[in-house]
Amino acid sequence: QKEVEQDPGPLSVPEGAIVSLNCTYSNSAFQYFMWYRQYSRKGPELLMYTYSSGNKEDGRFTAQVDKSSKYISLFIRDSQPSDSATYLCAMRAMDSNYQLIWGAGTKLIIKP
Amino acid sequence: GAGVSQSPSNKVTEKGKDVELRCDPISGHTALYWYRQSLGQGLEFLIYFQGNSAPDKSGLPSDRFSAERTGGSVSTLTIQRTQQEDSAVYLCASSLSGKAETQYFGPGTRLLVL
Repeated sequence: QKEVEQDPGPLSVPEGAIVSLNCTYSNSAFQYFMWYRQYSRKGPELLMYTYSSGNKEDGRFTAQVDKSSKYISLFIRDSQPSDSATYLCAMRAMDSNYQLIWGAGTKLIIKP
Repeated sequence: GAGVSQSPSNKVTEKGKDVELRCDPISGHTALYWYRQSLGQGLEFLIYFQGNSAPDKSGLPSDRFSAERTGGSVSTLTIQRTQQEDSAVYLCASSLSGKAETQYFGPGTRLLVL
């Protein structure tokens, strides 16, 4: 079993819909939780990160961490065709100052 | 300011040849990371530099892979005697020291070994 599980998709939704992307993990030592967006033939771009539990909002994006369930989510409101990309989650334990554990990424398609 | 740059953007080589990939991190970022991404896969950690030192080389797939960093800036990843299974996108990222959660990535080098 992988430390971080992420459904590869593709997830296809109509423009304007609310999108929910998720990752589950097994290591209770993870404390930092990141979401990266990767467009085709580009490097990943950090969207947001959360420390420990709770929610964090940035514009149309909301990151949510549920440590009791070992489950993290990224919500995208009012989705746009430009949001079409692969979304990668990544996690870091407090005792590791460099090692991120990555999900495989979910490919998201927003249909106009 | 300039982001992370990588060169070449694409590289096609023949099996058995050596290749050298270059990464220019963001100025002031002392931490530098190399990853490999195969089609449809997540990121595979290769090596981490703090300054010019590489405290963790455990992700390098074999002794054909090596990396160095000079002047706390530019890094090169070298693959000797390339094999077809080395074909992938090689990504470089940099961050401030101790801030692995905020890594900035370059566009990657797409390597194809024929």
